Amino acid sequence: GQNIDQPTEMTATEGAIVQINCTYQTSGFNGLFWYQQHAGEAPTFLSYNVLDGLEEKGRFSSFLSRSKGYSYLLLKELQMKDSASYLCAVISRQAGTALIFGKGTTLSVSS
Amino acid sequence: GAGVSQTPSNKVTEKGKYVELRCDPISGHTALYWYRQSLGQGPEFLIYFQGTGAADDSGLPNDRFFAVRPEGSVSTLKIQRTERGDSAVYLCASSLNGQLGTGELFFGEGSRLTVL
Repeated sequence: GQNIDQPTEMTATEGAIVQINCTYQTSGFNGLFWYQQHAGEAPTFLSYNVLDGLEEKGRFSSFLSRSKGYSYLLLKELQMKDSASYLCAVISRQAGTALIFGKGTTLSVSS
Repeated sequence: GAGVSQTPSNKVTEKGKYVELRCDPISGHTALYWYRQSLGQGPEFLIYFQGTGAADDSGLPNDRFFAVRPEGSVSTLKIQRTERGDSAVYLCASSLNGQLGTGELFFGEGSRLTVL
């Protein structure tokens, strides 16, 4: 089967940097996504990693280590609007072509 | 359309009733997915269509759940004999061709189902 673990909640202050970790166990790993979901809204795409290393996109970066089954999402220069749930999701050959999501990490940014 | 559209946005029904939820994907997207999300949880995969056919229905929880996509565009998720445990937000997503490594999923706003 598959297992995706993320912390349930995190808090941070405006302007800070926060790292949200995700560990996964799956057979036939085929890529990892991060999505952002504001309360009551649809998830929106943030990043995709299939090879080891860091992908940077503006204030957000995502890292992947396939040998460790580990990824993190790094958010810099935090803003209040970054308060949301961050979902880690993997594609595995076992899952066909669907994304399998973790439970999400709720990030609260305070001033 | 510009985005994935789902109707109704909210549905309240009584235990035992039949419910249909509709999804209109982004124009030209051949792949369509249904997910279910309970409070405090991540989206749970239900079913995936490539064109008109269900390529993977392994996530449907039981035979009360069924989905169709007769013309390869709009899809309907059908739930028979609803139970209180079916209460959740039902999310629809589409992607250009189902090759998730080359393109992401675009989600709709969801249909919130409440079974009393």
